[in-house]
Amino acid sequence: GAVVSQHPSWVICKSGTSVKIECRSLDFQATTMFWYRQFPKQSLMLMATSNEGSKATYEQGVEKDKFLINHASLTLSTLTVTSAHPEDSSFYICSARKSLGALTEAFFGQGTRLTVV
Amino acid sequence: RKEVEQDPGPFNVPEGATVAFNCTYSNSASQSFFWYRQDCRKEPKLLMSVYSSGNEDGRFTAQLNRASQYISLLIRDSKLSDSATYLCAVNRGNQFYFGTGTSLTVIP
Repeated sequence: GAVVSQHPSWVICKSGTSVKIECRSLDFQATTMFWYRQFPKQSLMLMATSNEGSKATYEQGVEKDKFLINHASLTLSTLTVTSAHPEDSSFYICSARKSLGALTEAFFGQGTRLTVV
Repeated sequence: RKEVEQDPGPFNVPEGATVAFNCTYSNSASQSFFWYRQDCRKEPKLLMSVYSSGNEDGRFTAQLNRASQYISLLIRDSKLSDSATYLCAVNRGNQFYFGTGTSLTVIP
């Protein structure tokens, strides 16, 4: 399988600060990456689709000004949680879309556990 | 209607049992199909892609039924280490749609 690296693995920050999470595809180019949030014992929730060189597409109910996404290169997308609050504490996971001919697969980063205190 | 529907379980089965999960998808234009495994507090990992003719990987067998729009995963001879949440996923165009996951616990 392909390798997607997400950094940091965990972060604790103070309320009101911003946190940047990076998602890198290490051995393939990803024109599309996805950002998810997952609360304990709940399913993955798609937050936004990150497209290289263009604006991200946000899911309904996700504030684009709070969750800033940048996909400046074919191997890197970043999610910045701005003015974080305790209710933003969650497990954030990225995935990258890999296409090889007709086959398309999605590979996940290791996830970032964010705790806002 | 949800893109992908999956029974959340939980499924509690004894070691050695055979267990099957099903997942339905709503859009007939869906192109590719997958099963992922997610362990507690970890990211989902691709278990296997599902091909039209069905495919097998050791104790795991995946099948696709396009007419009825469902995919299945069969696990034979369950091991304790199979305990996890299994998510189905479908791809259409640029998007992937995930089921909510089915929780499996294999009991000694």
